[in-house]
Amino acid sequence: SAVISQKPSRDICQRGTSLTIQCQVDSQVTMMFWYRQQPGQSLTLIATANQGSEATYESGFVIDKFPISRPNLTFSTLTVSNMSPEDSSIYLCSVREEDYGYTFGSGTRLTVV
Amino acid sequence: AQSVTQPDIHITVSEGASLELRCNYSYGATPYLFWYVQSPGQGLQLLLKYFSGDTLVQGIKGFEAEFKRSQSSFNLRKPSVHWSDAAEYFCAAPGPGANNLFFGTGTRLTVIP
Repeated sequence: SAVISQKPSRDICQRGTSLTIQCQVDSQVTMMFWYRQQPGQSLTLIATANQGSEATYESGFVIDKFPISRPNLTFSTLTVSNMSPEDSSIYLCSVREEDYGYTFGSGTRLTVV
Repeated sequence: AQSVTQPDIHITVSEGASLELRCNYSYGATPYLFWYVQSPGQGLQLLLKYFSGDTLVQGIKGFEAEFKRSQSSFNLRKPSVHWSDAAEYFCAAPGPGANNLFFGTGTRLTVIP
């Protein structure tokens, strides 16, 4: 299965700033997803990022707050913009492979102070 | 709409005891079903998945799960729990026509000596 390298693994950021999270996949994959996991909660899909098209955002998430880039089939970034303490969460990228396997990055643990 | 339910928020078992974590789904057709484990501070690791065929699925780390259509369930089991199994466990499934996974709320497993 694919191997995903997600960076940074954790960060502490000041409110009002932005953080860009990177995911690098060791193989070409069409479908990539970004999830948020708030403290003590399950995973919630932020958006689907397919190469060659604009990201598709779920209800409650907007592009201005969570801009996503997907320049090729092995890489994507998620930016958390104008951060507030409510954005403190774990952010995970995921890919779906041809055999319907879903692989996850190790996550970015974000704390906003 | 696709729904995956994990009725148990927190389960405590003694080391060496058997374990069963419950997962129920609401889905018309035969679903694809997954179990993931998340250790503290870690990303998600796939334990096992069910697509079709044999309803008893073997996974990693000695886990197994059984798909029961009549009960709309996909419960995770392990005959003898080890202290290292303490983690959060998530059941997941893609929704109808959806490419991403929807996650249950998770079950936190505590293992006592």
